[in-house]
Amino acid sequence: SYGLTQPPSVSVSPGQTASITCSGDRLGDKSASWYKQRPGQSPVLVIYQDFKRPSGTPERFSGSNSGNTATLTISGTQAMDEADYYCQAWDSSTPVVFGGGTKLTVL
Amino acid sequence: EVQLVQSGVEVKKPGQSLRISCKASGYTFTNYWIGWVRQKPGKGLEWMGIVYPGDSDTRYGPSFQGQVTISADKSINTAYLQWNSLKASDTAIYYCTRQVEVTYVELWGRGTQVTVSS
Repeated sequence: SYGLTQPPSVSVSPGQTASITCSGDRLGDKSASWYKQRPGQSPVLVIYQDFKRPSGTPERFSGSNSGNTATLTISGTQAMDEADYYCQAWDSSTPVVFGGGTKLTVL
Repeated sequence: EVQLVQSGVEVKKPGQSLRISCKASGYTFTNYWIGWVRQKPGKGLEWMGIVYPGDSDTRYGPSFQGQVTISADKSINTAYLQWNSLKASDTAIYYCTRQVEVTYVELWGRGTQVTVSS
C-alpha cells in the first residue's frame, strides 16, 4: 500500500522559516494536503491541493509538491504554530493516506 | 454554520458492539462525502473510509475493510461508524470528517473517544 514519510520532529526559532517534508513515490503526481493539530484538539486543514490555502490559514503558510516530495513551509514562524503537522495524499487509484506526522517545536 | 456534531464518550468491553454517530448541519448533507479518521493514543491519523450520503457509495481504507461499517442516513443528516465485536486495539479517538470529493478533509468533528477494556 502507498506510504508517506515525514520527519518525526522539526525545530525552528521564532520568526524563522520552518519546512516540513512529506515523501512518497511519485507524490508530485498526486494531490497533497496538510493538517495542523494542537494537543487535545481536532486537526485543521491548512493547505489543500498542493498549495491552496483555505480561508483562515495565515499567508505565512505555503505548500509545494513536486517529484517525490511535498513541502509545507511556514515563514516567520510564531509560537502559535507549534503543533503536529500531517500530510495527506490522494489520487484516483490510491485511498486517502496520511503521513506519520511531524512535531513542530518553536524554540 | 457548517457543523459535524459527534456522539459522546463510549466505554465498552471486548466483544461488544458499538455504533457512534455524526450529525451534520449547515449544508446539504447529500452533496459531500462524510467519513471517519482514527487516532490511537499518542499516534497519528489513520483514514478509515467515507460514504456519500446521496447514493450510499462507500469506500474503506485497506486496514479497515471488513473491520467496521460506515453508513449514512440522509433522512436525519447523520453518519455512523459501527463495530460488531470491539477489541482493545480499537481504543482511540474517532473523528468524523467532511471531504471534498475524495481528495481532502475540509472539516473535522470534535472526535469521539472510544475505550475498550475488560
